[in-house]
Amino acid sequence: DAKTTQPTSMDCAEGRAANLPCNHSTISGNEYVYWYRQIHSQGPQYIIHGLKNNETNEMASLIITEDRKSSTLILPHATLRDTAVYYCIVRVEGGANNLFFGTGTRLTVIP
Amino acid sequence: DAGVIQSPRHEVTEMGQEVTLRCKPISGHNSLFWYRQTMMRGLELLIYFNNNVPIDDSGMPEDRFSAKMPNASFSTLKIQPSEPRDSAVYFCASSLWGARGTGELFFGEGSRLTVL
Repeated sequence: DAKTTQPTSMDCAEGRAANLPCNHSTISGNEYVYWYRQIHSQGPQYIIHGLKNNETNEMASLIITEDRKSSTLILPHATLRDTAVYYCIVRVEGGANNLFFGTGTRLTVIP
Repeated sequence: DAGVIQSPRHEVTEMGQEVTLRCKPISGHNSLFWYRQTMMRGLELLIYFNNNVPIDDSGMPEDRFSAKMPNASFSTLKIQPSEPRDSAVYFCASSLWGARGTGELFFGEGSRLTVL
């Protein structure tokens, strides 16, 4: 069962901000929003996660709406190396449940 | 600190042969996951372990697939007999589960299996 929905693909100009949306309307109160990305032929890489407050780290920012039904991952200055498939996932933090990966968004950064 | 280590990186075998994929999780992690990725089906969870115990193997395709975790530092995924439709990239990931963990999964580089 897909718990998140994301656009299939997006393009972004190099140097501009990339904003990747995700809908998770059935998220539970104790579930966090996680973002991973997968660069071609590599294993998925963790980016960021959050519960209800906006989060920022060295890679990206995560904006979660007040009702927590959607979120946006922001790459402030996209580079060609950010071209990848980005997965939005919901799960309990540190919980024993699995991580279900949907189809993700294929982001292409254009020179 | 070494990440998740998988072997072999590439495996080419013939239909009917036994295939064994290996994984060494990050030291101190107590959860281990096996995923399979194909173009058609994307990234699928096959099985995961907590504290070396299999918790959910509902993603294992059929009885030809088996996974073991004899200790905290080693896991295997075995396919016997292998079939061409098993061709995929198999990823192992580990995580720290529980109050001290954030749930972040660390993935290995994958094992690319081709069954002829």
